[in-house]
Amino acid sequence: NAGVTQTPKFRVLKTGQSMTLLCAQDMNHEYMYWYRQDPGMGLRLIHYSVGEGTTAKGEVPDGYNVSRLKKQNFLLGLESAAPSQTSVYFCASSYHTGGLETQYFGPGTRLLVL
Amino acid sequence: AQSVTQLDSQVPVFEEAPVELRCNYSSSVSVYLFWYVQYPNQGLQLLLKYLSGSTLVKGINGFEAEFNKSQTSFHLRKPSVHISDTAEYFCAVSDPQAAGNKLTFGGGTRVLVKP
Repeated sequence: NAGVTQTPKFRVLKTGQSMTLLCAQDMNHEYMYWYRQDPGMGLRLIHYSVGEGTTAKGEVPDGYNVSRLKKQNFLLGLESAAPSQTSVYFCASSYHTGGLETQYFGPGTRLLVL
Repeated sequence: AQSVTQLDSQVPVFEEAPVELRCNYSSSVSVYLFWYVQYPNQGLQLLLKYLSGSTLVKGINGFEAEFNKSQTSFHLRKPSVHISDTAEYFCAVSDPQAAGNKLTFGGGTRVLVKP
């Protein structure tokens, strides 16, 4: 059981470049999430998905897009990277029982935008 | 909407000493409460959670937390820390009525255990 995995682990982009972060989970979880972590600000929700084919905006969605074509995968895209998107990105997944479920986190992707 | 405030950004503590990490939340509805830990260069993992019932919740690695509804607090404690407890700790809340099982996190507290 790999749990939640993220690809890549580290990436450097130039301003204006695009990239996709991949999250995969093997726990058959319905819900998946993308967060960004910045010093002193904790984790902030970017987008989330409550099932295959569905996505919704979180707290800080601007500049990001997501897709959930398969239940086990959740992709985060940056179409035109900006220095403000330099951050550590975490994917998480959980079962779908209302609000009380533990979220399981991946190891993170460190992104530097120059 | 909810918000979470962790009152200490950093807490230095000597090995075998007790530690308390403070968390206050704001919400117009009843919430579930969580503490997550992030060891260096890793993702977050659950320490403990409060859903209902007894206000004292015990978690992994000897940690416990007490829910205080009147003070809207959920402070985390450990009576005797180890070097391996050096990590960042996050308090979080979720709204049982909201879709998506979403978490709102506090800013985190870095714990540095000194020998």
